Amino acid sequence: NAGVTQTPKFQVLKTGQSMTLQCAQDMNHNSMYWYRQDPGMGLRLIYYSASEGTTDKGEVPNGYNVSRLNKREFSLRLESAAPSQTSVYFCASTLTGRETQYFGPGTRLLVL
Amino acid sequence: GENVEQHPSTLSVQEGDSAVIKCTYSDSASNYFPWYKQELGKRPQLIIDIRSNVGEKKDQRIAVTLNKTAKHFSLHITETQPEDSAVYFCAASMDTGRRALTFGSGTRLQVQP
Repeated sequence: NAGVTQTPKFQVLKTGQSMTLQCAQDMNHNSMYWYRQDPGMGLRLIYYSASEGTTDKGEVPNGYNVSRLNKREFSLRLESAAPSQTSVYFCASTLTGRETQYFGPGTRLLVL
Repeated sequence: GENVEQHPSTLSVQEGDSAVIKCTYSDSASNYFPWYKQELGKRPQLIIDIRSNVGEKKDQRIAVTLNKTAKHFSLHITETQPEDSAVYFCAASMDTGRRALTFGSGTRLQVQP
């Protein structure tokens, strides 16, 4: 039981490049989330998926897209990376949205 | 939307002392308040949580109190140890709508041996 996993662990991009951050959970959770964490700030919600087949915007969705591929996987895509997207990205999941959120190990993204 | 403010941003205590971190929230519909501990380079991990039908919850050296009327909640750590040094985040969410966490900006706690 791996919990929540994320790939890659670290990525460097040039401005304008695209990439997809992958997240998977093996806890049979319905709800999944993407957060970003910037220095000196808490985590801010980018997108979330309350259940398979649904996605909704969070606080800071601009510049990102998501796909809930199936119940296990929730990916985050940057179509044209910008330096302002340099951050640590965390994926999280919870059974129905009313319980503890379990976080993945994070992806450190540097956009030059 | 919900807004969570957290104070102080940094806190230094001597080993064995108590530490208190305070948060306020804006949306009276919020009813779930977790606290996360994040060590350097690691993921946030839940240390304690409280729901709005409870005023206080304790787990060994850690306790959380909630004042719904004033819309604030606090984390209390007693008998602090060097391994308590980390960044602590409070958060709030509700049972309807988004059900996602809104986080405070974090408190860096340093416990001096």
